[in-house]
Amino acid sequence: DAGVTQSPTHLIKTRGQHVTLRCSPISGHKSVSWYQQVLGQGPQFIFQYYEKEERGRGNFPDRFSARQFPNYSSELNVNALLLGDSALYLCASSLWTGGNEQYFGPGTRLTVT
Amino acid sequence: AQTVTQSQPEMSVQEAETVTLSCTYDTSENNYYLFWYKQPPSRQMILVIRQEAYKQQNATENRFSVNFQKAAKSFSLKISDSQLGDTAMYFCAFMKLNAGNMLTFGGGTRLMVKP
Repeated sequence: DAGVTQSPTHLIKTRGQHVTLRCSPISGHKSVSWYQQVLGQGPQFIFQYYEKEERGRGNFPDRFSARQFPNYSSELNVNALLLGDSALYLCASSLWTGGNEQYFGPGTRLTVT
Repeated sequence: AQTVTQSQPEMSVQEAETVTLSCTYDTSENNYYLFWYKQPPSRQMILVIRQEAYKQQNATENRFSVNFQKAAKSFSLKISDSQLGDTAMYFCAFMKLNAGNMLTFGGGTRLMVKP
């Protein structure tokens, strides 16, 4: 079975631009969570979606938004990019919400210049 | 808010030896989950072991075991018979019960296994 997939693998954007990152969960998984991992740090929680509804939001500005589609795939959108948004963005999927194992994708490396 | 602290930024161990990674956390919750995740240089995060706070017995997964001290809010990971493939970043993580899937991660410990 395919694991969690994310696209693109790498992305370079300029300050002020907008970016969309995509995630496909493991088949049958209904929950998708997004994390930001700045180089040398642990991941930080951005959003969780379960059954297409937002179930959790981390301490990130409104420039960050996300959605989940009927097939449970998800998009993370970041507007008005800042240099500080440069990071590895991780997507994790799980069967449901609350305490069960999360499976992480390989991440999207975003560089903002 | 919960915080997770890993006080050892880097550690090294000889192949076949045992190493213990430390993790402390701060929370006012009584029921929660604790995890250790491994992130190899290829960067895909993998779950190593999981502990439910209501369980007194320490979790074990093959060569990996934890020492969970709830009163001390300590959750260390012991790796026995270390292998070269254990070289990775290790993250300790906390999750509240019935609060979605939000993981709070520590800053990580870089483990190098030497031949």
